[in-house]
Amino acid sequence: GAVVSQHPSWVICKSGTSVKIECRSLDFQATTMFWYRQFPKQSLMLMATSNEGSKATYEQGVEKDKFLINHASLTLSTLTVTSAHPEDSSFYICSAREGTSHEKLFFGSGTQLSVL
Amino acid sequence: QQQVKQSPQSLIVQKGGISIINCAYENTAFDYFPWYQQFPGKGPALLIAIRPDVSEKKEGRFTISFNKSAKQFSLHIMDSQPGDSATYFCAALAGRRALTFGSGTRLQVQP
Repeated sequence: GAVVSQHPSWVICKSGTSVKIECRSLDFQATTMFWYRQFPKQSLMLMATSNEGSKATYEQGVEKDKFLINHASLTLSTLTVTSAHPEDSSFYICSAREGTSHEKLFFGSGTQLSVL
Repeated sequence: QQQVKQSPQSLIVQKGGISIINCAYENTAFDYFPWYQQFPGKGPALLIAIRPDVSEKKEGRFTISFNKSAKQFSLHIMDSQPGDSATYFCAALAGRRALTFGSGTRLQVQP
C-alpha cells in the first residue's frame, strides 16, 4: 500500500533554533499535503494545507511566518518550525493525498518535537 | 467550532467484549467518514471508512454503523483484544478539504 515517510521521528532542539520536518510520499504523487499538530491526549488539529507548487493555506491562529511549509514537488513537503520555543513542543503529523480521492489519503508516522 | 463530536472520552472493555464508540456531525456536506486507530507516538492508521449512502460496513471485527438522518455514526469492535488498546478517532471529510477529527476515545481492553 501507499506509504508516507515522515522524518525525523523525534527531535530535541534548543529554544530559538529552527527545525525542519520532512514528509515524503514514497509510491504516489501527493497532490495535496496536510500538516497537523497534536498535543498530549488531544486530537489532531489541522495547521495548514499545501498543494504542490502553491503557497500553503494556514488555519486560523497558525502563524505562517513561524511554521514555514514548502511543497516544492509532488513527493515532498517540509514543515520548518522557526525560532522554536517550548510551547511549540508537540507531535507533528503530515498526511498526503493522491489526486482528489478520499480513499487515497495517507498519514505519516509523526514527529515528536521537544524544545528545551 | 467542533464539527465532529465523539464519545466516550475513554472506554474500558473486557477481552472478548464489544467496544462501541459514537460520533455525531453537523456539516451535511461531509461525504466520507473514516475511523483511525492511533498508538502512542505513532501516526493515525485507517481502520475502516464509510460513505453516507451505506448504513453499515463491516471489515473483520470492525463495523461502522451510519445513520444519515440522525447525523451519527459509530464504530463497533467485536471480540475486543488487548492489542486493540489504543486511541480511536472518528473523522469526516467534505470534498477536497482536510479531515475533521473527533476528540478521540482511549480504549483499554483488559485481559
